Amino acid sequence: EPEVTQTPSHQVTQMGQEVILRCVPISNHLYFYWYRQILGQKVEFLVSFYNNEISEKSEIFDDQFSVERPDGSNFTLKIRSTKLEDSAMYFCASTPAQTYEQYFGPGTRLTVT
Amino acid sequence: AQKVTQAQTEISVVEKEDVTLDCVYETRDTTYYLFWYKQPPSGELVFLIRRNSFDEQNEISGRYSWNFQKSTSSFNFTITASQVVDSAVYFCALRGMDTGRRALTFGSGTRLQVQP
Repeated sequence: EPEVTQTPSHQVTQMGQEVILRCVPISNHLYFYWYRQILGQKVEFLVSFYNNEISEKSEIFDDQFSVERPDGSNFTLKIRSTKLEDSAMYFCASTPAQTYEQYFGPGTRLTVT
Repeated sequence: AQKVTQAQTEISVVEKEDVTLDCVYETRDTTYYLFWYKQPPSGELVFLIRRNSFDEQNEISGRYSWNFQKSTSSFNFTITASQVVDSAVYFCALRGMDTGRRALTFGSGTRLQVQP
């Protein structure tokens, strides 16, 4: 069964460094998302991406964040200058159509020290 | 604004007991979708069910069943004859469709512990 994959599974970085989290959505899906989950808390929406552009973003998704689909398969989330409060699990999700359920990847745990 | 409330932070049951996880939602959208996801200790989010606002039929899938009541804005999830493998955090989520939003709004989750 096709699934969303994410790399790395765990990333440790120092405050102020740039990180890129990578996702490979399910191949025939058209809508892509990033969510984050601070340890022990709810899952929060960051951004959605469709047709090579951002279609919606939350207040969390400020200028420090960017997304890109550099080729036909990868979908990346970049954090330009990480802060301690960026430490969280970051989930990528994809769906074939807006009305369908979103399928989530296994997540990347980001630890900012 | 959309909101999902899961008032039960943690539930502990003994194996074979039935357990119901509550979910209450708020939305101004007339068309919306409701979801349940399971997050086992390994951390991934596993899709369980999707329900649209026009379909109030209850659904049963094996030991799982869902009760959608629009009148009370609730979408409750029942596990019958619980098993240790059901131990996880369960999230209810909502997606409003009227304004073209794509984001899921999640509740804060209910941690279910099933003791052997």
